[in-house]
Amino acid sequence: NAGVTQTPKFQVLKTGQSMTLQCAQDMNHNSMYWYRQDPGMGLRLIYYSASEGTTDKGEVPNGYNVSRLNKREFSLRLESAAPSQTSVYFCASSVGSTGELFFGEGSRLTVL
Amino acid sequence: AQSVTQLGSHVSVSEGALVLLRCNYSSSVPPYLFWYVQYPNQGLQLLLKYTSAATLVKGINGFEAEFKKSETSFHLTKPSAHMSDAAEYFCAVTFSGGYNKLIFGAGTRLAVHP
Repeated sequence: NAGVTQTPKFQVLKTGQSMTLQCAQDMNHNSMYWYRQDPGMGLRLIYYSASEGTTDKGEVPNGYNVSRLNKREFSLRLESAAPSQTSVYFCASSVGSTGELFFGEGSRLTVL
Repeated sequence: AQSVTQLGSHVSVSEGALVLLRCNYSSSVPPYLFWYVQYPNQGLQLLLKYTSAATLVKGINGFEAEFKKSETSFHLTKPSAHMSDAAEYFCAVTFSGGYNKLIFGAGTRLAVHP
């Protein structure tokens, strides 16, 4: 019973490098999300996908792109990493509008 | 602007003592309110939620929260703290009319001492 799976769990990048965080869910949820978690700031929404084929910006989208590859998978790409993007990234999914999210275990990214 | 505020970034209690974590929101429309818990090095998991049914909501692990519209609050309580309750707790809110997006509070880290 995997739920939401994120890869990689840890990554260190140099400024300017690119990378993609992968997320997959096996709960047949329509909606998927990417959040970042920083100390004292709670979770902030980067992008979300209400359903397969759609994506929308959240609160802090600058410097990121996303792809909803299919119903299961939602990836987050950093094209040119910056130290300000050092954070813990969480992928989440939900059935619909109840607001109950199911989270992955997180991906800790450090940009030097 | 709609927002959620958690009072106290750190709360420390003794094992067996009452746990009270505070959450207030600002909104002109009825909210859906949630408490999530995050154990070290894990993702968040739902503790309980309020969606306009009973104002006193019971969650997992003995936690409960009461929605008080007049005070715009949704405080989380547990009568007797256990060592395993040590974690970070997040209050979150979403509002009718908007799409399914949660606004999270900054979090409260709960420490439980023997």
